[in-house]
Amino acid sequence: EDKVVQSPLSLVVHEGDTVTLNCSYEVTNFRSLLWYKQEKKAPTFLFMLTSSGIEKKSGRLSSILDKKELFSILNITATQTGDSAVYLCAVEGGTYKYIFGTGTRLKVLA
Amino acid sequence: ETGVTQTPRHLVMGMTNKKSLKCEQHLGHNAMYWYKQSAKKPLELMFVYNFKEQTENNSVPSRFSPECPNSSHLFLHLHTLQPEDSALYLCASSQQSSGTDTQYFGPGTRLTVL
Repeated sequence: EDKVVQSPLSLVVHEGDTVTLNCSYEVTNFRSLLWYKQEKKAPTFLFMLTSSGIEKKSGRLSSILDKKELFSILNITATQTGDSAVYLCAVEGGTYKYIFGTGTRLKVLA
Repeated sequence: ETGVTQTPRHLVMGMTNKKSLKCEQHLGHNAMYWYKQSAKKPLELMFVYNFKEQTENNSVPSRFSPECPNSSHLFLHLHTLQPEDSALYLCASSQQSSGTDTQYFGPGTRLTVL
């Protein structure tokens, strides 16, 4: 059975800290891995990763995929209170088939 | 604004009511999805439509009935729901391609079943 596991489930840090969120997966027909940020309702897209070892970067956020070890990490440096959200990892495991993890709830304290 | 809109944003209904959720995408995408998000559970994919044809139905109870009249609109018809159906219902769309796709989500409808 395809599955996506995220860790930790929740995390509390102070502004300025660096955090690393983890996503591991077991998917039969891997196509891509996606990271989303969900603040109140709709998840917003952050990154899509398809190739191993190539870091995607957007401002203070970066992500990398390891297809051999079947995991991805999402790094956030110099965290701000606006980074507080649930971060979702999803794997595309076939045409129109997306498997989501439960998410990591991040709270950044001022 | 992601280009995907959902109405209503909040809905409270009794178990005997019939209601519909609406999703509209303005992105020219060909695939649309319904997801259910319950507290402390992973996002669950319910239905997938590609070019108005339903391609996936993940063992969803028949009290949920999807309808996709065209590539821009998607409905979820609800009848005789149970309290455990209370959740956030998210609509998403993606552009069909032979490779990988990114989904764009709407704001969701918060459904409460009394």
